[in-house]
Amino acid sequence: DTAVSQTPKYLVTQMGNDKSIKCEQNLGHDTMYWYKQDSKKFLKIMFSYNNKELIINETVPNRFSPKSPDKAHLNLHINSLELGDSAVYFCASSQGGLGRGHSSGNTIYFGEGSWLTVV
Amino acid sequence: AQSVTQPDIHITVSEGASLELRCNYSYGATPYLFWYVQSPGQGLQLLLKYFSGDTLVQGIKGFEAEFKRSQSSFNLRKPSVHWSDAAEYFCAVGARSNTGKLIFGQGTTLQVKP
Repeated sequence: DTAVSQTPKYLVTQMGNDKSIKCEQNLGHDTMYWYKQDSKKFLKIMFSYNNKELIINETVPNRFSPKSPDKAHLNLHINSLELGDSAVYFCASSQGGLGRGHSSGNTIYFGEGSWLTVV
Repeated sequence: AQSVTQPDIHITVSEGASLELRCNYSYGATPYLFWYVQSPGQGLQLLLKYFSGDTLVQGIKGFEAEFKRSQSSFNLRKPSVHWSDAAEYFCAVGARSNTGKLIFGQGTTLQVKP
C-alpha cells in the first residue's frame, strides 16, 4: 500500500480553470504538507496542516486553498489557474513536526507527486 | 536566512566509481539534515537523516553522509555507484521545531556512465 498517495498524477488543463489535487496518507500521521517543485526542480513548502489546522502558509497566492477534512487527507484546490502554476506538487506527511522530543527526530514522507501543466 | 546550497548542479561518474555530493547549509543553530533522492518521474525518497549523535550516518542503498559542524556541510557519499543510482539528489535542512518545514537545496543531477 502506498503510504502517501496523490491523485491525479498527471493533469493538463487550460488557463483560468479550477482544479484540485487530492492527497491521502495511511501512516496515521497528524501533520501533512504541500510542496511545490518548479521547472528548475526547486522545492519549496506551500502549506502545512497539523490535526486539520493550518500551521504554515508560505505566502502562497490565495488562489491556492488547501483543505483538510480529516488528519489523513489534505487536498489542494487551485482557482483561476495560470501558466506559472505549472509544476510538480508533492504532498507529504509526518507525525508532528521534526522536533517532537525524539532524539532521532521524525521523518517526512513524500507522495509521488502530481504533474500539473497549464496551457 | 536559512539556506541550503548544493554547489554541483550536474555530476557524471562511471559505474563502480565513488561518489560524493556536496551540501552546505546556512542556519542559526544545528538543524536536522536530510538527503532525498528523486528518480525520473518519481517522488522523493528519504536516503538518510541526521538529528543528533554520530556525525556519520548510514542510509539506504549503500549511501552515507557526514555532518561537519565546522564546515556547515552534510556531504553524501557512496563508495561504488550503480547505474540505478542515476537520479536527482536533494539535500534539505529542517528546524528543530514542530513545524516540519524543510528547506531544500537546488538539487544535483547524477548521471552514471556504463
